[in-house]
Amino acid sequence: SQKIEQNSEALNIQEGKTATLTCNYTNYSPAYLQWYRQDPGRGPVFLLLIRENEKEKRKERLKVTFDTTLKQSLFHITASQPADSATYLCALGDNAGKSTFGDGTTLTVKP
Amino acid sequence: EPEVTQTPSHQVTQMGQEVILRCVPISNHLYFYWYRQILGQKVEFLVSFYNNEISEKSEIFDDQFSVERPDGSNFTLKIRSTKLEDSAMYFCASKEQGIQETQYFGPGTRLLVL
Repeated sequence: SQKIEQNSEALNIQEGKTATLTCNYTNYSPAYLQWYRQDPGRGPVFLLLIRENEKEKRKERLKVTFDTTLKQSLFHITASQPADSATYLCALGDNAGKSTFGDGTTLTVKP
Repeated sequence: EPEVTQTPSHQVTQMGQEVILRCVPISNHLYFYWYRQILGQKVEFLVSFYNNEISEKSEIFDDQFSVERPDGSNFTLKIRSTKLEDSAMYFCASKEQGIQETQYFGPGTRLLVL
């Protein structure tokens, strides 16, 4: 069956460091992959989308890589700030446009 | 910036009652979705809707659920006879034309079934 795994439920880092979050998947061939941010009690907020034929995408302090051979995406936040503390969701998209979400990784950036 | 809106933000209902959750997608979007998130769990796909019909639905989306786009702006999710396990956050999402475009989510409706 399809499986999406995001690394450790919680990740704690010091302000200014780079946070790296992992999304691994099995039994799935996504057409694209999205990363969302979710704060408690709120809806997912779109951050970045990367397609299957793309290797890397950047947006300000965010970078996403996508390796369809390893079946893995890495999400990096550079120069992290306490305001980056949230749960980050990986979502795989299929050719029907449906998204399948991972459990999320809760990032805490300590001042 | 355009955004997806949802009403109500919170809904409390008795088991067995019908509820209608409302969404206004972003105006030029053509694909519409409902997802739910039980407290502490992952976001789960319920249904997708395009060209005035359901394009895909999950196992969760049984006969108790229905969706409708009654006019040019609203997109609704109806749960006919609510169960305790329907308690969750329900998110509406929409996207522009094009399969490989991102979905934009609304703020959600928190449904509590007593």
